[in-house]
Amino acid sequence: QSALTQPASVSGSPGQSITISCTGTSSDIGYHDYVSWYQQHPGKAPKFLIYDVTNRPSGVSDRFSGSKSGNTAALTISGLQAEDEADYYCSSYTSSSTYVFGTGTKVTVL
Amino acid sequence: EAQLVQSGSEVKKPGESLMISCKGSGYSFTSNWIVWVRQMPGKGLEWMGMVYPGDSEIRYTYSPSLEGQVTISADKSINTAYLRWSSLKASDTGIYYCARGVRVGWFDPWGQGTLVTVSS
Repeated sequence: QSALTQPASVSGSPGQSITISCTGTSSDIGYHDYVSWYQQHPGKAPKFLIYDVTNRPSGVSDRFSGSKSGNTAALTISGLQAEDEADYYCSSYTSSSTYVFGTGTKVTVL
Repeated sequence: EAQLVQSGSEVKKPGESLMISCKGSGYSFTSNWIVWVRQMPGKGLEWMGMVYPGDSEIRYTYSPSLEGQVTISADKSINTAYLRWSSLKASDTGIYYCARGVRVGWFDPWGQGTLVTVSS
């Protein structure tokens, strides 16, 4: 199972919106709507942001939103803030009942 | 509140064995998967496998690329999951996280991570 493909880095100015893509195959992202997203600050454990493609758990800012089209999912961060600077990972359940993570994207707030 | 607490950092030599642990609290341990995720130095997250403690039967699923290299287990009596190596390699160096799989699709919360260093 190959890792899902994410851009290595994305940057934006405070207040702007950015979108991180996550591309898989018909055996993972395209097979289920079980795509989730995680945020990881340096030296910290990942934090759960989005589940089932578009849903936010309680406590997660509504500036984070998810979407999917075909074999590609996306995370959009609107109203970018300094605290959003972190690494972001997508994850998908697969047709083999396993999981796969994305390659990770470093978000820089200019 | 659900919480996962992992065992402390380890420094081992190549060829040695190791078992790290992940203790759950604040939720029904037997009703949720525990997944193991590794992060090699400066790299991304990699799903390793998972265990479902279950009331009657423990179930396991491994990443095809890692099966045979590690063993995942659980002790329901003490709400603890384990990740075991029988013969460590330098390439096993990294941070290992456990996380709860509430149901299919997502992991929350995560343990604080266990740093494993394998060096001669």
